[in-house]
Amino acid sequence: AQSVSQHNHHVILSEAASLELGCNYSYGGTVNLFWYVQYPGQHLQLLLKYFSGDPLVKGIKGFEAEFIKSKFSFNLRKPSVQWSDTAEYFCAVTSNSGYALNFGKGTSLLVTP
Amino acid sequence: KAGVTQTPRYLIKTRGQQVTLSCSPISGHRSVSWYQQTPGQGLQFLFEYFSETQRNKGNFPGRFSGRQFSNSRSEMNVSTLELGDSALYLCASSPSQGSHEQYFGPGTRLTVT
Repeated sequence: AQSVSQHNHHVILSEAASLELGCNYSYGGTVNLFWYVQYPGQHLQLLLKYFSGDPLVKGIKGFEAEFIKSKFSFNLRKPSVQWSDTAEYFCAVTSNSGYALNFGKGTSLLVTP
Repeated sequence: KAGVTQTPRYLIKTRGQQVTLSCSPISGHRSVSWYQQTPGQGLQFLFEYFSETQRNKGNFPGRFSGRQFSNSRSEMNVSTLELGDSALYLCASSPSQGSHEQYFGPGTRLTVT
């Protein structure tokens, strides 16, 4: 069955710490990969996406993610987090045969001052 | 450009009733998808419409239905409400049939008592 796994459910970091959130997927064939963020009280926003090409993709607010096909992974990174990065982060996948986003369970990130 | 709008934002219904939620996509977007978000199950795909046709459907009972109008606006209906239907219902729009990039609205918070 197709699935998306996010390994860390809750992460607490101090400001300026580096962030890496894991995402693995179980899909056959070509995939499209996304990271969405949901800030407290706000709607889901697209952070970054990978469709093809350079496996290192850069998104908004200094986030980046690397697609490693051999590991079925699409980990999210940020070199130095800020308090305003406190949010819930979702990894999601679509396949080229369908447009429904299959989401991971999400990772709740708390950045302390 | 205005974002995806959803009405109402909050709704309280009694078990056994039915409910209709509305979504207006971003201007020019023709694809609309619906998702259910709960603490236990996370984000789950309900269905997707393009040009008034349902193209994909998630694993939900027949009590959940939807439709799309010629102006791309969409409605979803849940009949015979159950307590477990309490959730945040999210609508997302995409620019075209082949686009995997989805933009989310703020959601409708449905509480079933």
